[in-house]
Amino acid sequence: IAGITQAPTSQILAAGRRMTLRCTQDMRHNAMYWYRQDLGLGLRLIHYSNTAGTTGKGEVPDGYSVSRANTDDFPLTLASAVPSQTSVYFCASSPAGESGEQFFGPGTRLTVL
Amino acid sequence: GQNIDQPTEMTATEGAIVQINCTYQTSGFNGLFWYQQHAGEAPTFLSYNVLDGLEEKGRFSSFLSRSKGYSYLLLKELQMKDSASYLCAVRDRNYQLIWGAGTKLIIKP
Repeated sequence: IAGITQAPTSQILAAGRRMTLRCTQDMRHNAMYWYRQDLGLGLRLIHYSNTAGTTGKGEVPDGYSVSRANTDDFPLTLASAVPSQTSVYFCASSPAGESGEQFFGPGTRLTVL
Repeated sequence: GQNIDQPTEMTATEGAIVQINCTYQTSGFNGLFWYQQHAGEAPTFLSYNVLDGLEEKGRFSSFLSRSKGYSYLLLKELQMKDSASYLCAVRDRNYQLIWGAGTKLIIKP
Protein backbone atom coordinates (compact mmCIF):
# COMPACT_ATOMS: atom_id res chain seq x y z
CA ILE A 1 0.00 0.00 0.00
CA ALA A 2 1.10 3.57 -0.58
CA GLY A 3 -0.24 6.45 1.49
CA ILE A 4 -3.44 6.05 3.46
CA THR A 5 -6.16 3.50 2.93
CA GLN A 6 -9.65 3.48 4.39
CA ALA A 7 -12.25 0.75 4.56
CA PRO A 8 -15.02 0.37 3.72
CA THR A 9 -15.44 2.75 0.77
CA SER A 10 -19.10 3.12 1.60
CA GLN A 11 -21.59 1.63 4.02
CA ILE A 12 -25.28 1.76 4.77
CA LEU A 13 -25.96 1.10 8.42
CA ALA A 14 -29.09 0.70 10.53
CA ALA A 15 -29.44 3.09 13.45
CA GLY A 16 -28.25 1.58 16.71
CA ARG A 17 -25.64 -0.67 15.09
CA ARG A 18 -21.96 -0.57 15.96
CA MET A 19 -19.51 0.25 13.17
CA THR A 20 -15.74 0.56 12.89
CA LEU A 21 -14.13 2.53 10.09
CA ARG A 22 -10.60 1.42 9.36
CA CYS A 23 -7.61 3.59 8.49
CA THR A 24 -4.06 2.46 7.76
CA GLN A 25 -1.03 4.49 6.66
CA ASP A 26 2.39 3.30 5.54
CA MET A 27 4.23 6.63 5.70
CA ARG A 28 5.30 6.24 9.36
CA HIS A 29 3.61 9.53 10.22
CA ASN A 30 3.27 10.21 13.93
CA ALA A 31 0.01 12.15 13.83
CA MET A 32 -3.33 10.86 12.56
CA TYR A 33 -6.78 12.42 12.39
CA TRP A 34 -10.41 11.61 11.75
CA TYR A 35 -12.66 14.21 10.11
CA ARG A 36 -16.23 14.28 8.95
CA GLN A 37 -17.29 16.35 5.96
CA ASP A 38 -20.87 17.48 5.53
CA LEU A 39 -22.34 19.58 2.73
CA GLY A 40 -21.89 23.28 3.36
CA LEU A 41 -19.61 22.76 6.33
CA GLY A 42 -15.86 22.61 6.62
CA LEU A 43 -14.05 19.47 7.63
CA ARG A 44 -14.64 18.92 11.34
CA LEU A 45 -12.14 17.11 13.52
CA ILE A 46 -13.57 14.16 15.44
CA HIS A 47 -10.50 12.69 17.15
CA TYR A 48 -6.78 12.85 16.67
CA SER A 49 -3.63 11.09 17.79
CA ASN A 50 -0.25 12.81 17.98
CA THR A 51 1.62 9.56 18.44
CA ALA A 52 0.97 5.86 18.99
CA GLY A 53 -0.62 5.24 22.37
CA THR A 54 -2.20 8.70 22.70
CA THR A 55 -5.50 10.12 21.47
CA GLY A 56 -7.38 13.38 21.87
CA LYS A 57 -10.85 14.80 21.26
CA GLY A 58 -11.54 17.17 18.43
CA GLU A 59 -14.44 19.49 17.75
CA VAL A 60 -17.18 16.82 17.41
CA PRO A 61 -16.17 13.71 19.40
CA ASP A 62 -19.54 12.66 20.84
CA GLY A 63 -20.67 9.22 19.69
CA TYR A 64 -17.22 8.28 18.38
CA SER A 65 -14.18 6.58 19.86
CA VAL A 66 -10.69 5.84 18.57
CA SER A 67 -7.63 3.84 19.49
CA ARG A 68 -4.00 4.02 18.38
CA ALA A 69 -2.30 0.76 19.27
CA ASN A 70 0.50 1.26 16.72
CA THR A 71 1.82 3.89 14.29
CA ASP A 72 0.01 2.60 11.22
CA ASP A 73 -3.60 2.03 12.29
CA PHE A 74 -6.22 4.45 13.60
CA PRO A 75 -9.73 2.93 13.66
CA LEU A 76 -12.83 5.00 14.35
CA THR A 77 -15.78 3.33 16.10
CA LEU A 78 -19.39 4.42 16.22
CA ALA A 79 -20.77 2.62 19.26
CA SER A 80 -24.44 3.06 18.39
CA ALA A 81 -24.96 4.82 15.07
CA VAL A 82 -27.54 7.62 14.68
CA PRO A 83 -28.81 9.25 11.46
CA SER A 84 -26.91 12.50 12.23
CA GLN A 85 -23.70 10.53 11.77
CA THR A 86 -24.45 10.17 8.07
CA SER A 87 -21.44 11.83 6.49
CA VAL A 88 -18.22 11.33 4.56
CA TYR A 89 -15.40 10.37 6.89
CA PHE A 90 -11.78 11.15 6.07
CA CYS A 91 -8.72 9.84 7.82
CA ALA A 92 -5.52 11.87 7.55
CA SER A 93 -1.94 11.72 8.74
CA SER A 94 0.91 14.18 9.01
CA PRO A 95 4.62 14.02 9.65
CA ALA A 96 6.45 16.03 12.26
CA GLY A 97 8.04 19.25 11.03
CA GLU A 98 7.31 22.88 10.22
CA SER A 99 4.55 22.60 7.64
CA GLY A 100 3.19 19.25 8.76
CA GLU A 101 0.79 19.07 5.84
CA GLN A 102 -1.93 16.47 6.21
CA PHE A 103 -2.33 13.61 3.77
CA PHE A 104 -5.84 12.28 3.35
CA GLY A 105 -7.27 8.85 2.71
CA PRO A 106 -9.95 8.37 0.03
CA GLY A 107 -12.83 8.61 2.52
CA THR A 108 -15.70 6.44 3.70
CA ARG A 109 -19.23 7.43 2.78
CA LEU A 110 -21.51 6.35 5.65
CA THR A 111 -25.28 6.42 5.61
CA VAL A 112 -27.19 5.71 8.82
CA LEU A 113 -30.88 4.92 8.35
CA GLY B 1 -15.14 31.29 18.52
CA GLN B 2 -13.01 30.31 15.58
CA ASN B 3 -14.10 31.15 12.09
CA ILE B 4 -12.83 30.74 8.55
CA ASP B 5 -14.71 32.56 5.78
CA GLN B 6 -14.41 31.99 2.06
CA PRO B 7 -16.86 32.47 -0.82
CA THR B 8 -19.17 29.54 -1.46
CA GLU B 9 -18.79 29.48 -5.23
CA MET B 10 -16.89 31.27 -7.98
CA THR B 11 -16.96 31.02 -11.77
CA ALA B 12 -14.06 31.76 -14.10
CA THR B 13 -13.10 31.25 -17.72
CA GLU B 14 -10.51 28.81 -19.02
CA GLY B 15 -7.16 30.58 -19.47
CA ALA B 16 -8.03 33.40 -17.08
CA ILE B 17 -6.85 34.22 -13.54
CA VAL B 18 -8.95 33.80 -10.40
CA GLN B 19 -8.36 34.85 -6.79
CA ILE B 20 -10.04 32.99 -3.93
CA ASN B 21 -10.08 34.89 -0.65
CA CYS B 22 -10.03 33.54 2.88
CA THR B 23 -10.42 35.49 6.12
CA TYR B 24 -9.93 33.94 9.51
CA GLN B 25 -10.38 34.51 13.22
CA THR B 26 -8.74 31.78 15.25
CA SER B 27 -7.28 31.10 18.67
CA GLY B 28 -3.65 31.53 17.75
CA PHE B 29 -1.99 31.09 14.37
CA ASN B 30 0.55 28.50 13.34
CA GLY B 31 0.22 28.54 9.60
CA LEU B 32 -2.38 28.60 6.84
CA PHE B 33 -3.00 25.86 4.31
CA TRP B 34 -4.80 25.61 0.99
CA TYR B 35 -6.10 22.29 -0.26
CA GLN B 36 -7.80 21.27 -3.49
CA GLN B 37 -10.67 18.80 -3.46
CA HIS B 38 -12.24 17.38 -6.60
CA ALA B 39 -15.81 16.16 -6.28
CA GLY B 40 -15.97 12.76 -4.61
CA GLU B 41 -12.28 12.74 -3.80
CA ALA B 42 -10.01 13.50 -0.84
CA PRO B 43 -8.44 16.92 -0.25
CA THR B 44 -4.88 17.30 -1.56
CA PHE B 45 -2.32 19.82 -0.30
CA LEU B 46 -1.60 22.91 -2.40
CA SER B 47 0.27 25.44 -0.29
CA TYR B 48 1.40 26.52 3.14
CA ASN B 49 2.03 30.06 4.45
CA VAL B 50 3.32 30.93 7.88
CA LEU B 51 5.00 34.28 7.18
CA ASP B 52 3.46 37.30 5.47
CA GLY B 53 3.88 37.46 1.74
CA LEU B 54 3.45 35.50 -1.42
CA GLU B 55 4.39 31.87 -2.00
CA GLU B 56 4.50 30.85 -5.65
CA LYS B 57 4.27 27.32 -6.93
CA GLY B 58 3.81 27.03 -10.66
CA ARG B 59 0.37 28.28 -11.70
CA PHE B 60 -0.71 28.58 -8.08
CA SER B 61 0.29 31.29 -5.60
CA SER B 62 -0.84 31.92 -2.04
CA PHE B 63 -0.65 35.15 -0.08
CA LEU B 64 -0.85 35.76 3.65
CA SER B 65 -1.36 38.86 5.81
CA ARG B 66 -1.37 37.84 9.46
CA SER B 67 -2.21 41.35 10.70
CA LYS B 68 -5.37 41.36 8.55
CA GLY B 69 -6.28 37.70 9.13
CA TYR B 70 -6.39 37.29 5.36
CA SER B 71 -5.12 34.99 2.67
CA TYR B 72 -5.80 34.42 -0.98
CA LEU B 73 -5.10 31.66 -3.47
CA LEU B 74 -4.32 32.85 -6.99
CA LEU B 75 -4.75 30.46 -9.89
CA LYS B 76 -3.32 31.48 -13.25
CA GLU B 77 -3.88 30.10 -16.75
CA LEU B 78 -6.95 28.25 -15.61
CA GLN B 79 -7.55 24.79 -17.00
CA MET B 80 -10.74 22.76 -16.96
CA LYS B 81 -9.11 20.34 -14.52
CA ASP B 82 -8.92 23.20 -11.98
CA SER B 83 -12.67 22.86 -11.46
CA ALA B 84 -12.77 21.77 -7.82
CA SER B 85 -13.36 23.02 -4.31
CA TYR B 86 -10.57 24.96 -2.64
CA LEU B 87 -10.32 24.66 1.12
CA CYS B 88 -8.64 27.18 3.41
CA ALA B 89 -7.45 25.91 6.80
CA VAL B 90 -5.67 27.60 9.70
CA ARG B 91 -3.56 25.76 12.27
CA ASP B 92 -4.51 27.15 15.67
CA ARG B 93 -2.57 27.44 18.93
CA ASN B 94 -3.19 23.75 19.65
CA TYR B 95 -1.75 22.84 16.24
CA GLN B 96 -5.15 21.64 15.03
CA LEU B 97 -6.52 22.65 11.63
CA ILE B 98 -9.66 24.78 11.51
CA TRP B 99 -11.27 24.45 8.08
CA GLY B 100 -13.35 26.77 5.97
CA ALA B 101 -16.36 25.32 4.15
CA GLY B 102 -14.55 25.56 0.83
CA THR B 103 -14.99 27.53 -2.39
CA LYS B 104 -16.39 25.65 -5.36
CA LEU B 105 -14.63 26.90 -8.50
CA ILE B 106 -16.42 26.38 -11.80
CA ILE B 107 -14.34 26.79 -14.94
CA LYS B 108 -16.17 27.59 -18.18
CA PRO B 109 -14.68 27.13 -21.66
